[in-house]
Amino acid sequence: GNSVTQMEGPVTLSEEAFLTINCTYTATGYPSLFWYVQYPGEGLQLLLKATKADDKGSNKGFEATYRKETTSFHLEKGSVQVSDSAVYFCALLLISGGYNKLIFGAGTRLAVHP
Amino acid sequence: DAMVIQNPRYQVTQFGKPVTLSCSQTLNHNVMYWYQQKSSQAPKLLFHYYDKDFNNEADTPDNFQSRRPNTSFCFLDIRSPGLGDAAMYLCATSRAWTGDNYGYTFGSGTRLTVV
Repeated sequence: GNSVTQMEGPVTLSEEAFLTINCTYTATGYPSLFWYVQYPGEGLQLLLKATKADDKGSNKGFEATYRKETTSFHLEKGSVQVSDSAVYFCALLLISGGYNKLIFGAGTRLAVHP
Repeated sequence: DAMVIQNPRYQVTQFGKPVTLSCSQTLNHNVMYWYQQKSSQAPKLLFHYYDKDFNNEADTPDNFQSRRPNTSFCFLDIRSPGLGDAAMYLCATSRAWTGDNYGYTFGSGTRLTVV
């Protein structure tokens, strides 16, 4: 079936540390891949996306590269800030019956301390 | 700004008392979705509307219903809320598939508490 697996959290880092959150997927065909961020008490915000193999999505210092050979889409940031503390969801987008269906991973909580 | 708006942000309802959550959009997107997100879990798709066509996920309980009176509005009705239905409910929209990957636009969510 189609699914997304993320590394378990919480991930706790000091400010300015390097961040990696692992994400792998299983899908039929070639899905688009996304990272969403959810701040406390809020809905989901799109962080970045990649639509085909070897594409790199980037936004606000975050990056992720669509790796077809390893079916991965790991999220990275070179220097995290306290304001990056949130839950991060990896997701894949399937096309089914003319509409888009997002399938989410379980989410990874990131806590950044000063 | 075009957006997806959910009302209310917080809703408290009594056990067994019907409750309705609302979602509106100014994006003119064909598809509207309802997700349920329980604490520390991934959002789970309940159902979606593709224009006027309703599509229920196989494991969505019968207690959950939806209405879409027009393109802009979509409602989530919980007929008899139980304590296990306490969650964040997220509305999202997307364009119908046109050969590009538009992804979703999410609302801010409604947090439902059942007492």
